[in-house]
Amino acid sequence: KQEVTQIPAALSVPEGENLVLNCSFTDSAIYNLQWFRQDPGKGLTSLLLIQSSQREQTSGRLNASLDKSSGRSTLYIAASQPGDSATYLCAAVYRDDKIIFGKGTRLHILP
Amino acid sequence: GAGVSQSPRYKVAKRGQDVALRCDPISGHVSLFWYQQALGQGPEFLTYFQNEAQLDKSGLPSDRFFAERPEGSVSTLKIQRTQQEDSAVYLCASRREVDSRGNTQYFGPGTRLTVL
Repeated sequence: KQEVTQIPAALSVPEGENLVLNCSFTDSAIYNLQWFRQDPGKGLTSLLLIQSSQREQTSGRLNASLDKSSGRSTLYIAASQPGDSATYLCAAVYRDDKIIFGKGTRLHILP
Repeated sequence: GAGVSQSPRYKVAKRGQDVALRCDPISGHVSLFWYQQALGQGPEFLTYFQNEAQLDKSGLPSDRFFAERPEGSVSTLKIQRTQQEDSAVYLCASRREVDSRGNTQYFGPGTRLTVL
């Protein structure tokens, strides 16, 4: 069964800290690996998309890595800010367009 | 705005009522997806359209769920005889290309359905 697991489920850190969110997926035959952000009452915003042939993607303070063989991805957030508080979702995208989401990590940055 | 829009944003239904949820994708986007997101969970795939063709409906939980996209743009998700377990946020997403490689889905804000 295709599953995506995110650890931790929730995280609170003081402003300014660097942090890492973890994602693992059971079926390594992915097409893409995406990280999304979800704010309360809102839809999902794509943060980073890593194609299966890539190892990492960077956007500003965000860096996502992909180790397809071990079924793992990490999202690194540098110099966290209160505005980073949200739920972060990892999604494994497969060739048949099936997208499997994790349950998310609820991140709270303390001012 | 040029994003994906959904209506209504909130819907309260009595058990047994039929509901219709609307999605307006980004203009020109070929692919359209519906997801169901229960509280505290990630979104779960319901169905996928390529233009007006429904190519995958394997995620629809029962025959009470029906989706259409007759002209290849606006889509409607209909739930008949709603049950309490249908309470969730229903998310719509669209994608410009057919091929998912390197192409992201753009999500709407969702419709929060509460069945009493």
